[in-house]
Amino acid sequence: AQSVTQLGSHVSVSEGALVLLRCNYSSSVPPYLFWYVQYPNQGLQLLLKYTTGATLVKGINGFEAEFKKSETSFHLTKPSAHMSDAAEYFCAVSDRGNAGNMLTFGGGTRLMVKP
Amino acid sequence: DVKVTQSSRYLVKRTGEKVFLECVQDMDHENMFWYRQDPGLGLRLIYFSYDVKMKEKGDIPEGYSVSREKKERFSLILESASTNQTSMYLCASRLAGSHGTQYFGPGTRLLVL
Repeated sequence: AQSVTQLGSHVSVSEGALVLLRCNYSSSVPPYLFWYVQYPNQGLQLLLKYTTGATLVKGINGFEAEFKKSETSFHLTKPSAHMSDAAEYFCAVSDRGNAGNMLTFGGGTRLMVKP
Repeated sequence: DVKVTQSSRYLVKRTGEKVFLECVQDMDHENMFWYRQDPGLGLRLIYFSYDVKMKEKGDIPEGYSVSREKKERFSLILESASTNQTSMYLCASRLAGSHGTQYFGPGTRLLVL
């Protein structure tokens, strides 16, 4: 079964600093990869996804993630944090070729942005 | 615009009560899902439905059941609520055959006393 590890349940950065949220997955076959964001008291919203093609994926709100097969990683970055980025971020994967395409989620990382 | 709605944002119930959580999507999606979200555990799949009247158990189905009588509506039922079912419940929907992208509702925070 797939597993997803997000290193760091809480990450704190200063406004304007680089955001780096880490995600590693366990799979011998590269899966589909997703990052979702959850703002306070809201559901999850898709930030970006990787299915095929270019390994650097750009998403909404200036976020991007790079799929690195050799490292089984899909880390999320943003060059300059904004106060509005404070939220919880979830990495998720689903198997290729799996008719169900079920999502397996990591434990989440809460991003705090200091003024 | 994609829309998934859940009947309640907050719910307080007593142990032993039967609880219904409703989810409605307006996107004509075939697939629907129920998750629970707990701190540090991420989202865990309770049940899912590929289409009307179809249901499959997820990773943690014990103590829950579901109903999908209409395509747009997916209900989660707690037959006899217990305190360990206090959690945030999230509903999602997805177009069949897509690359896994799911659209989520705002969630229902359930407290069982």
